[in-house]
Amino acid sequence: QVQLVQSGSELKKPGASVKVSCKASGYTFTIYNMNWVRQAPGQGLEWMGWIHTNTGNPTYAQGFTGRFVFSFDTSVSTAYLQIIDLEAEDTAVYYCARGPTGALDYWGQGTLVTVSS
Amino acid sequence: EIVLTQSPGTLSLSPGERATLSCRASQSISNNYLVWYQQRPGRAPRLLVYRASSRATGIPDRFSGSGSGTDFTLTISRLEPEDFAVYYCQQYGSPHLTFGGGTKVEIK
Repeated sequence: QVQLVQSGSELKKPGASVKVSCKASGYTFTIYNMNWVRQAPGQGLEWMGWIHTNTGNPTYAQGFTGRFVFSFDTSVSTAYLQIIDLEAEDTAVYYCARGPTGALDYWGQGTLVTVSS
Repeated sequence: EIVLTQSPGTLSLSPGERATLSCRASQSISNNYLVWYQQRPGRAPRLLVYRASSRATGIPDRFSGSGSGTDFTLTISRLEPEDFAVYYCQQYGSPHLTFGGGTKVEIK
C-alpha cells in the first residue's frame, strides 16, 4: 500500500537550517509529483509548492521562495524539504503529499518543526 | 492566484444531522478541479472528493460534492461521530494550488 513516512520532530534555533525527509513506498516514486504543505499552529493548510520527481523541476508558491528548497533522491524514494535561515514564524507542521494531478491523495504524517531560541 | 473562501467558519450540528459546507472561488476553476479534505485533530488531511464531485477511494457515500465554476458544496448527509473535524477545499485548476481557510464541524 502507498505510504509516505516523514522524519521526526525538530527543535531548531533561529538562523539554523532543517531538512525534513519523506520516504515513499508502495508506488513508483518518479511517476507522481511530491507536494509540500505547511500548517502553522492552530491555522489552516498552506501549499508550499511541488517538485516533479521525474525532471527534478521545482515549483515554489508565493512566499516560499529563497529559503525553501525541495529535492529528492530516487535511489531511496525519498523527498526532502530544506529550510534555511529559520525564523520563529517557520514553526509549523510540514506535510509531504503525493499529487498525481494536484489532488493530494496520500499524505505523510507530518513533521513538527519548532524554531525557538 | 485563485482565492477560496469557505463558509461558515464553524458549523455546530448534532450527530445524524445534515452538514452543508460552501467553498467559493475568486475566479472560475478550470475543469472543476476542486477537492475536499477532512482533517481530524492531530492527523494529516484525508482526501474526500476530487474534481468537485468524485468520491475518493474508500470514502463513505454520505459524503458528496457538487458545484461548478466558482461555487462548490460538500454535503455530509448524516453526521457520524467521526465526521466532526475540519474540512478544507483546495483547487488545482491553476499551476499554483490554493486552499480555503477551512470549516470546522463541531458537535452541538
